[in-house]
Amino acid sequence: DTGVSQNPRHKITKRGQNVTFRCDPISEHNRLYWYRQTLGQGPEFLTYFQNEAQLEKSRLLSDRFSAERPKGSFSTLEIQRTEQGDSAMYLCASSRGQNQETQYFGPGTRLLVL
Amino acid sequence: SQKIEQNSEALNIQEGKTATLTCNYTNYSPAYLQWYRQDPGRGPVFLLLIRENEKEKRKERLKVTFDTTLKQSLFHITASQPADSATYLCALDGSGGNNRLAFGKGNQVVVIP
Repeated sequence: DTGVSQNPRHKITKRGQNVTFRCDPISEHNRLYWYRQTLGQGPEFLTYFQNEAQLEKSRLLSDRFSAERPKGSFSTLEIQRTEQGDSAMYLCASSRGQNQETQYFGPGTRLLVL
Repeated sequence: SQKIEQNSEALNIQEGKTATLTCNYTNYSPAYLQWYRQDPGRGPVFLLLIRENEKEKRKERLKVTFDTTLKQSLFHITASQPADSATYLCALDGSGGNNRLAFGKGNQVVVIP
């Protein structure tokens, strides 16, 4: 257990529905990252927060995806109007910040869109 | 285009032997490189970080080398054990400043008792 928690661990939804995932990072970590991983691939960067500010978003992150980190603590990732191609493992990671590059990953949320 | 390449074939190795994995990258200038372990259905777990000015790093039975001229890192597990069976991911500093990671696809290791 790295100290990063994610909920839910599994989510099955129908195409077109909205889903929201939550990540609770290690409490003293000010950086939070979201990645997506599909079978047989490495994690792909989606977005990054430093405290409450969202500082970078990948081109992978379509308009249907939105992430927040209110008060610089937990973060949520919402996918609107889900598509079958959204099926993947969504991973959250946190780190202390600059010059502390080690990222601690949560267990992930596995999404299946039917 | 940018690439991070790890061997797609699983490495089957006898217990007690040394497993060696390769990570090659193109069109990156990473300040550091990291190796993670991932078990099925779980998130990656950090193992080692090596910086661009370091040639070699060790941690217990693990050793990592980093050659910025060859644009390659080697990851070694000595005296391998069945518990070392997992997928090992190479990750680079994908851009300056925010430390977001760019990952390879991973290389599966199977240690045979």
